[in-house]
Formats: sequence, C-alpha cells, structure tokens
Amino acid sequence: NAGVTQTPKFQVLKTGQSMTLQCAQDMNHEYMSWYRQDPGMGLRLIHYSVGAGITDQGEVPNGYNVSRSTTEDFPLRLLSAAPSQTSVYFCASRPRVTDTQYFGPGTRLTVL
Amino acid sequence: QKEVEQDPGPLSVPEGAIVSLNCTYSNSAFQYFMWYRQYSRKGPELLMYTYSSGNKEDGRFTAQVDKSSKYISLFIRDSQPSDSATYLCAMSGNRDDKIIFGKGTRLHILP
Repeated sequence: NAGVTQTPKFQVLKTGQSMTLQCAQDMNHEYMSWYRQDPGMGLRLIHYSVGAGITDQGEVPNGYNVSRSTTEDFPLRLLSAAPSQTSVYFCASRPRVTDTQYFGPGTRLTVL
Repeated sequence: QKEVEQDPGPLSVPEGAIVSLNCTYSNSAFQYFMWYRQYSRKGPELLMYTYSSGNKEDGRFTAQVDKSSKYISLFIRDSQPSDSATYLCAMSGNRDDKIIFGKGTRLHILP
C-alpha cells in the first residue's frame, strides 16, 4: 500500500492562477479530507467527503472546490489563487469504522 | 470562542521528565478525542484515541478525558529527545462527523 499520496510536493503560483492539488489513497477508505496548516493556526478543515459523490464544507471552504468521483481520489481545486492561500495542504483519509486518520506528506503552496 | 483551545508553546523539558499536554473545548457534543504527533515537515500521525471520558495508556503515553470539565490531557513519561515534535489534539462528535484540531503544542525534549 502506498497509503495517502499527494502531488505536487511544492508549488508556486501567481495571484489569479488556478491549479488542482491531487490526493489519492489505496486503502479503500470512505472518508477523505483536506486541511490547511498555517503557522500558529493548527490544522483547519477545508472540505471533506464521506464517500464517492458526497462532499461537504469544513471550517475554511472559501476559494476551494472539491469533487469525489471515485473512492480513491479527492482533488482540491483553487480557482483563482490568492496570497492568503499560501499554506501547507494535507490530505487525509480514514475508514468509516475507525477514527484512525492517515495523512499524506503535504503540498507546500506559495502564491505570489 | 474557538471550539478547541491548545497552548502553542513551545514547551521545553529535560530528558526523562514527565510531559503534560492539554486542550480545552467548548462543544459538549464531542465524544471522540485524539492526539496526533507531527514531526517537522511531515504529516500528522495518530498517537492516541479515546472515546468519551476516562484514561487510556499505551506504553509511555497516557491520554485522559474529563468531559465534565471539557478538558483533555496527554502525558508522556520518561520523555526522550525523539519525542520532540508538535502535538495536536483533535476531536469529533460522532464517527460520521468532521474532526476539529487544536493549534498544536511544540515540544522540545532537551538531552
């Protein structure tokens, strides 16, 4: 098992550009989530999904879109990047029957 | 008031000391309580998981939950330099609910 994988590891964008952060898991987990981590702010939930075709907003959803067409993949889209979206982004997954959440290695995003 | 409060530290203690890390919360619906450990430039990893009130022990780690006070703790005995990391508390209301994290406490164990 590769676990939770995220691509890219690093990304630099200009204000207004769009991009998609990729997240995939090979553990057949129903739950997947996206978090951002900023200094002094801890982990904040952006969006989450409880299964294919089902998504919901977290604490800080503005400026981000998600979709879940398969169990394995949960991409995060930035439609028009802003400097306030400079952060480290973590994807996580867990099976419904337990609360052990597995995190990916993170994507470091800088928006200039 | 944020749902989960956690002192960001940093907390520096000598090797071998007992470490106490704490979080308070405001949502009385929280029933599942977790502690994650995060090393620098890595993703968080689950350390301890507790349901409802009580204690749970795993090796050098003990997690305590006091729902009446809305207060959770993580104790680390015989602390080691390898325990130096950021520790995040997290909690949720039920298995289908989103998990809310504290800001994390940076811990340094001094050799």
